[in-house]
Amino acid sequence: DAKTTQPNSMESNEEEPVHLPCNHSTISGTDYIHWYRQLPSQGPEYVIHGLTSNVNNRMASLAIAEDRKSSTLILHRATLRDAAVYYCIRTNTGNQFYFGTGTSLTVIP
Amino acid sequence: NAGVTQTPKFQVLKTGQSMTLQCAQDMNHEYMSWYRQDPGMGLRLIHYSVGAGITDQGEVPNGYNVSRSTTEDFPLRLLSAAPSQTSVYFCASSDRGTNYGYTFGSGTRLTVV
Repeated sequence: DAKTTQPNSMESNEEEPVHLPCNHSTISGTDYIHWYRQLPSQGPEYVIHGLTSNVNNRMASLAIAEDRKSSTLILHRATLRDAAVYYCIRTNTGNQFYFGTGTSLTVIP
Repeated sequence: NAGVTQTPKFQVLKTGQSMTLQCAQDMNHEYMSWYRQDPGMGLRLIHYSVGAGITDQGEVPNGYNVSRSTTEDFPLRLLSAAPSQTSVYFCASSDRGTNYGYTFGSGTRLTVV
């Protein structure tokens, strides 16, 4: 049970920002939100994670709602290399990650 | 720094055969996990370990065994291969705790005929 809900697919134009939503309405106070992406024929790649505050790194930003029931992964300028399946995962143990089917992002040149 | 290394990359087995998928990491990570990914689906957790000598079951453990005798290695054993175990298998490792990301290997593509 992945316990998160994401749209099956999204499209974005190249060089435009992309906002990938994730719903986790049953999240508990100790659950972290992690995002991974998987490029075709590759293993998943860590993108970003957070607990309560918004987070930024070189790849993306993570915006977590004040009630923590949803979050948004933000890619500031989509490139063709960002075309992948993006997974939103909640975990409170760090040793059991449950992946759903994720969001397949298509980037249009 | 090699990260997470999985061998072999490809394998074909006959029904009933056994084999071991190898996973090794050189980052001194405490946590290691095995996942399988079937076509068009997300990853499903098979087994995981939180340190040498400690393993536990994930979502889909039936037909698989694991052991963790060292921090570096976490092999996955298929006891008697079945066509339903045809899948891509990923190994991953992480430092301790929820506040760390996982590093994944490049996968082993297994076909059982």
